[in-house]
Amino acid sequence: EDQVTQSPEALRLQEGESSSLNCSYTVSGLRGLFWYRQDPGKGPEFLFTLYSAGEEKEKERLKATLTKKESFLHITAPKPEDSATYLCAVQAAYTNAGNNRKLIWGLGTSLAVNP
Amino acid sequence: EAQVTQNPRYLITVTGKKLTVTCSQNMNHEYMSWYRQDPGLGLRQIYYSMNVEVTDKGDVPEGYKVSRKEKRNFPLILESPSPNQTSLYFCASSFYGGQQETQYFGPGTRLLVL
Repeated sequence: EDQVTQSPEALRLQEGESSSLNCSYTVSGLRGLFWYRQDPGKGPEFLFTLYSAGEEKEKERLKATLTKKESFLHITAPKPEDSATYLCAVQAAYTNAGNNRKLIWGLGTSLAVNP
Repeated sequence: EAQVTQNPRYLITVTGKKLTVTCSQNMNHEYMSWYRQDPGLGLRQIYYSMNVEVTDKGDVPEGYKVSRKEKRNFPLILESPSPNQTSLYFCASSFYGGQQETQYFGPGTRLLVL
């Protein structure tokens, strides 16, 4: 069964304290892995898409990496405004369900950055 | 500005009173989805649409209906809402081209069914 697991569930950092969030996945062929940021009560905001193992993408203090079984979202010198829930989702290359555009979502990591 | 809009943003209703949540996107995307988000359960797809007049069930379609008569609009209909449909709802749209796919989300509709 296709599945996405994110860890930790919650993370509290001091401003400037770098860390990584993990997204491990099992899927019948990976078509794409997506990272989103979600602020409370708001819609998820797209951050990155990764397509193949070894790929890396960066945006400001965030860097996403991908292996064959997991992805990491590295946060370098975080600021309080980076506080949010970070969601990971995968899109399978092969599916019997008929919807090859479907995203399989993790439950997210809630990040709090203290000043 | 490229965006997905939803209305209403907040809604309180009573059991059995039909309601519609509208969703509109201005990016000419062919693929649209409805999700609900509940604590501990994450985002779950309700219905999706590959294009105009092409819709299908997601993971939790019971109690919901959709239609796609125009490319830009994808309304979610609750014919007879029940308290277990109290949730935060998101509409999303995307297109796939050149190996790139980005799914854009609306701001959400918070629904309370009494």
